[in-house]
Amino acid sequence: GAVVSQHPSWVICKSGTSVKIECRSLDFQATTMFWYRQFPKQSLMLMATSNEGSKATYEQGVEKDKFLINHASLTLSTLTVTSAHPEDSSFYICSAWLAGGSNTGELFFGEGSRLTVL
Amino acid sequence: RKEVEQDPGPFNVPEGATVAFNCTYSNSASQSFFWYRQDCRKEPKLLMSVYSSGNEDGRFTAQLNRASQYISLLIRDSKLSDSATYLCVVNPQGAQKLVFGQGTRLTINP
Repeated sequence: GAVVSQHPSWVICKSGTSVKIECRSLDFQATTMFWYRQFPKQSLMLMATSNEGSKATYEQGVEKDKFLINHASLTLSTLTVTSAHPEDSSFYICSAWLAGGSNTGELFFGEGSRLTVL
Repeated sequence: RKEVEQDPGPFNVPEGATVAFNCTYSNSASQSFFWYRQDCRKEPKLLMSVYSSGNEDGRFTAQLNRASQYISLLIRDSKLSDSATYLCVVNPQGAQKLVFGQGTRLTINP
């Protein structure tokens, strides 16, 4: 099946630093990727939709200047958490949609990146 | 009202039991429905899509009720390995963008 790879799997950083997370579709091209965040015991919350070659679309309440998204190629999207603070500590998951026929498809997820900001 | 609502549980049931979850969605124009499974500290993985006519995959049965705007998941002969969080997922806009429910935590006890 289709594979989406995400790394790093986990990262611990000091407050004020920036962290970049990469999401790659390994065996298919993804013009659109999605970035989710999940706090403990809560659901996945869509942060933004990453569009290849254009600006990302951010969900309401998500700061675009804090969570920088770059989708420079059909197989790579990156999320940079700038000036991270402890409240940014969370599980960040990317996903990519593999289209099937007749408006069907499946969303494949990366393994997730657990960010801890000290 | 949340777009997708689930009872978070937790549900604790003995091995071999049958267990069912429901999930309600608010957007009547929603087109696609899924159940995902998420293990602790892992990414969600697709369990099954939910079709209008209902569908079955082994011990798992999914049903869709458009009139009442809910979907259900039934697990028969539950196994210890079924312990996980089950996420109800709805596609409200016809393509790609998915909305996740909070998830229902299930623990199967030996």
